[in-house]
Amino acid sequence: SQKIEQNSEALNIQEGKTATLTCNYTNYSPAYLQWYRQDPGRGPVFLLLIRENEKEKRKERLKVTFDTTLKQSLFHITASQPADSATYLCALGALTFGSGTRLQVQP
Amino acid sequence: GAGVSQSPSNKVTEKGKDVELRCDPISGHTALYWYRQSLGQGLEFLIYFQGNSAPDKSGLPSDRFSAERTGGSVSTLTIQRTQQEDSAVYLCASSRRDRQQETQYFGPGTRLLVL
Repeated sequence: SQKIEQNSEALNIQEGKTATLTCNYTNYSPAYLQWYRQDPGRGPVFLLLIRENEKEKRKERLKVTFDTTLKQSLFHITASQPADSATYLCALGALTFGSGTRLQVQP
Repeated sequence: GAGVSQSPSNKVTEKGKDVELRCDPISGHTALYWYRQSLGQGLEFLIYFQGNSAPDKSGLPSDRFSAERTGGSVSTLTIQRTQQEDSAVYLCASSRRDRQQETQYFGPGTRLLVL
């Protein structure tokens, strides 16, 4: 069956540093992969979508890579800010979500 | 315009009771999705609607769960004879077309607690 893994350990970094979150998957070849942000008590909010034929996608301070050989996506936030603190979810296609990685940016 | 809305925002019920959760998608969005999120877990897909039909019901955990959508708009998720393991946040999302490469917009969720 399809399996998607995100680091369940919270990621703590200092303000201004680059945060890198990892999403690994098995038994699946998604046509695209998405990243969402979820704040406590709220629904996820879409951030970026990257297609299988794209290696990298950027949006402001966000960058996503997609390696279909390694079956891995990396999500980067550069010049991180305390306001970036949240849980970040990756999703294979439309319906298969990971459990998310909680990011805490310390001022 | 308005986002996806869900009601109630919180629901506490006793084991064995039936509950109905409501989702109002963004106007004009033809696709609607229901997910369940347990504490510290990812989103578990339940069911997907395209218009009023549900081509994918594969995620419904048991026959106690059912959902319908009317008028291509509002959807209700019904859980019959609730069990304590049904306690979770139930999230609804909508998108403009079908599930292919379309951004999903999520509602705030309904927090269900079964005592």
